[in-house]
Amino acid sequence: DADVTQTPRNRITKTGKRIMLECSQTKGHDRMYWYRQDPGLGLQLIYYSFDVKDINKGEISDGYSVSRQAQAKFSLSLESAIPNQTALYFCATSARQGNTQYFGPGTRLTVL
Amino acid sequence: AQTVTQSQPEMSVQEAETVTLSCTYDTSESNYYLFWYKQPPSRQMILVIRQEAYKQQNATENRFSVNFQKAAKSFSLKISDSQLGDTAMYFCAFMIPDSGNTPLVFGKGTRLSVIA
Repeated sequence: DADVTQTPRNRITKTGKRIMLECSQTKGHDRMYWYRQDPGLGLQLIYYSFDVKDINKGEISDGYSVSRQAQAKFSLSLESAIPNQTALYFCATSARQGNTQYFGPGTRLTVL
Repeated sequence: AQTVTQSQPEMSVQEAETVTLSCTYDTSESNYYLFWYKQPPSRQMILVIRQEAYKQQNATENRFSVNFQKAAKSFSLKISDSQLGDTAMYFCAFMIPDSGNTPLVFGKGTRLSVIA
């Protein structure tokens, strides 16, 4: 079984809809991250969480919110989706004393 | 702010040959980590190799090795005996440990094609 899972893997939605992307991990890591990937722009950090009670904004947090429901779960929400949020979204985890991030398989989101 | 630059948007290499992907970064910090990630067509982000700035020895992982030049702020990836399965996007990334700000900064990537 994969250590970091994301659901759904693909999603098509309409402008204005609320959507939630979920991430779960079995690695026992404290730290979790959400990134967005656009063609030609690499990955950009949306939000990150160093433990259940710690949530931090990344460089492109506008239009997004997150919830850390448990150590193993970190969800990303788009309250009112817009077309320029069409992208590939990645969840990642890392250990408290480690610095290597391990990525989930990604969610391809299309907002029409 | 830290920045990572990959100056080669696309590269190609013949199977079994060697190729080097370039990466430069900008930081005033002395303690940091550098990474290369691979993203094949399956879109999974896979860690290829990692280098700690305090280590003078270049990291190696099987056919993958790096040339870390701290003074020049350069971190290139060498792939030896290239295989068709190495075809992917390669991202260079930078991190300051426990920075509490932007944990991982990525370059824009290099698309590598291995040709049979």
